[in-house]
Amino acid sequence: GQQLNQSPQSMFIQEGEDVSMNCTSSSIFNTWLWYKQDPGEGPVLLIALYKAGELTSNGRLTAQFGITRKDSFLNISASIPSDVGIYFCAGQLLEGSQGNLIFGKGTKLSVKP
Amino acid sequence: DTGVSQNPRHKITKRGQNVTFRCDPISEHNRLYWYRQTLGQGPEFLTYFQNEAQLEKSRLLSDRFSAERPKGSFSTLEIQRTEQGDSAMYLCASSLVIEQFFGPGTRLTVL
Repeated sequence: GQQLNQSPQSMFIQEGEDVSMNCTSSSIFNTWLWYKQDPGEGPVLLIALYKAGELTSNGRLTAQFGITRKDSFLNISASIPSDVGIYFCAGQLLEGSQGNLIFGKGTKLSVKP
Repeated sequence: DTGVSQNPRHKITKRGQNVTFRCDPISEHNRLYWYRQTLGQGPEFLTYFQNEAQLEKSRLLSDRFSAERPKGSFSTLEIQRTEQGDSAMYLCASSLVIEQFFGPGTRLTVL
């Protein structure tokens, strides 16, 4: 099946530091979404990207849709303890299925106060 | 709260039993999705409805799985003759177009 390579798998950082994570694929996507999931809960949508090259911010979060349509990154500035959780990228393929999202395996973020 | 709701939140069952989960989407959303998530993995797509029509099914959805959305509102996911490998979090999401909003999930444990 289609794969999204998400990195890093985990990060352990100091409060106040900036965070960067990314997703890459060999397939072309027409939409990229970033979600955050807390233990025992469903993913919560953070940012949606629709155009190649698009750069979108949501508070301290910034995400970009790669020019090649095969990658995306998420930055978190000035991390705080409540940023702890698992961050997932998800994409909708340009060709083929239009109903489902393909998810990466997640980046687990831990923040040390 | 007008988000996606799922019931039950947790289900423990014995192997071979049937289970049914319910999802209530955001009221104005016509699209509804089911995903399965195992530990350490991202959600994996199972099936998708637009209104009451089931438009797509993943090959992950074996013959033991069936999903319905009879009136285009809530949906049910039934697993027959559960196996230990069915243990997972089952997530429901809904959307108007592309942005999918997830419910809290149903955690299934098959003993």
